[in-house]
Amino acid sequence: GDSVTQMEGPVTLSEEAFLTINCTYTATGYPSLFWYVQYPGEGLQLLLKATKADDKGSNKGFEATYRKETTSFHLEKGSVQVSDSAVYFCALSHTGNQFYFGTGTSLTVIP
Amino acid sequence: SAVISQKPSRDICQRGTSLTIQCQVDSQVTMMFWYRQQPGQSLTLIATANQGSEATYESGFVIDKFPISRPNLTFSTLTVSNMSPEDSSIYLCSVVLEQGAAGANVLTFGAGSRLTVL
Repeated sequence: GDSVTQMEGPVTLSEEAFLTINCTYTATGYPSLFWYVQYPGEGLQLLLKATKADDKGSNKGFEATYRKETTSFHLEKGSVQVSDSAVYFCALSHTGNQFYFGTGTSLTVIP
Repeated sequence: SAVISQKPSRDICQRGTSLTIQCQVDSQVTMMFWYRQQPGQSLTLIATANQGSEATYESGFVIDKFPISRPNLTFSTLTVSNMSPEDSSIYLCSVVLEQGAAGANVLTFGAGSRLTVL
């Protein structure tokens, strides 16, 4: 069945460092791919998405490219800020009503 | 985008009691979803709530433990019954926003209800 595998955390970075959080998926066909972010004490918010191969989703300086050949959707940001400290979830959806989430990666950015 | 209001936002409950979580959406939606997020873990879908029919439960979740109501297209409740410490979790209400030709359907979440069972 469909599944998402995320890089284990926690991840601790200094401010302005480069961030990569790896995400790979298993699915038939061409699912849509998502990154969600959960700030402390809050629910999940959509960060970015991509709907087909080679699409790049971007938002708030974060980017992720839908790579069909490697079944990956890695999240990147060139320069992280303290305010980026959160838990990041990779997810996929085939039908638009059923979503599969990774286990989440906790990011802490220190000044 | 839809605004989803959940309450309570957090509660501390005694073992053996039940608690009902309410979810209000500012627009009409066909399906509402209830997820559980146990401490340090990912999201697990509990059930899908359709207006006018019984909720559809995922494997491992039963109606007696997690009864759900869906009286109209903007509101749903989830009850956690006969609670034990293992039920301590964040419970999240969510809806799908259909993007149509614009792109993928997006799952939108409420802020969550953090339950601690003593």
